[in-house]
Amino acid sequence: GNSVTQMEGPVTLSEEAFLTINCTYTATGYPSLFWYVQYPGEGLQLLLKATKADDKGSNKGFEATYRKETTSFHLEKGSVQVSDSAVYFCALPGTNSGYALNFGKGTSLLVTP
Amino acid sequence: DAGVIQSPRHEVTEMGQEVTLRCKPISGHDYLFWYRQTMMRGLELLIYFNNNVPIDDSGMPEDRFSAKMPNASFSTLKIQPSEPRDSAVYFCASSLWGGPQPLEQYFGPGTRLTVT
Repeated sequence: GNSVTQMEGPVTLSEEAFLTINCTYTATGYPSLFWYVQYPGEGLQLLLKATKADDKGSNKGFEATYRKETTSFHLEKGSVQVSDSAVYFCALPGTNSGYALNFGKGTSLLVTP
Repeated sequence: DAGVIQSPRHEVTEMGQEVTLRCKPISGHDYLFWYRQTMMRGLELLIYFNNNVPIDDSGMPEDRFSAKMPNASFSTLKIQPSEPRDSAVYFCASSLWGGPQPLEQYFGPGTRLTVT
């Protein structure tokens, strides 16, 4: 089946620093790719997605580009805020015929003032 | 819409007791997913339903776990008997059908289960 590998955390940054969280995938074909975010004490929520190769997903200042050459979907933000402190999950369909997603292990981000 | 609703939000029980977790998906959604989250194992898919029919239950840890979806607006996850290693946060999520590629999953707030 399809899978993703995320960089290990935790990641600690100062406010206004540049963020990159690496995600690489293994898949048959070109399935949709997702980034979810989990704030403390809450469920996951969709941050952004890309449905085909070379697409860029963006939301709330975060961006990720679906790169088939490097099988990557890295999450970036130019200037993080304290409120971005959360756990970030990369995800993709477990198989190309199913509706369940396989999630990465999550990367914890802490932004300090 | 109120989003995905889960109850209870917190459950503390003793080993050997039966535990029932409840979920109300977003109205009109076609898919319902049950996940378990722990520090050690991360987020694991337990089972998912399409139009109330279980599609994949390969993630259910063992026979002590069972899930039902008697109608489009309600699902339960039952653990009987419960064990301390079942302690985790259990999430329910739902989504619409969007063709060959999955659409966004909407997660509930989770149920934090502690088995002593």
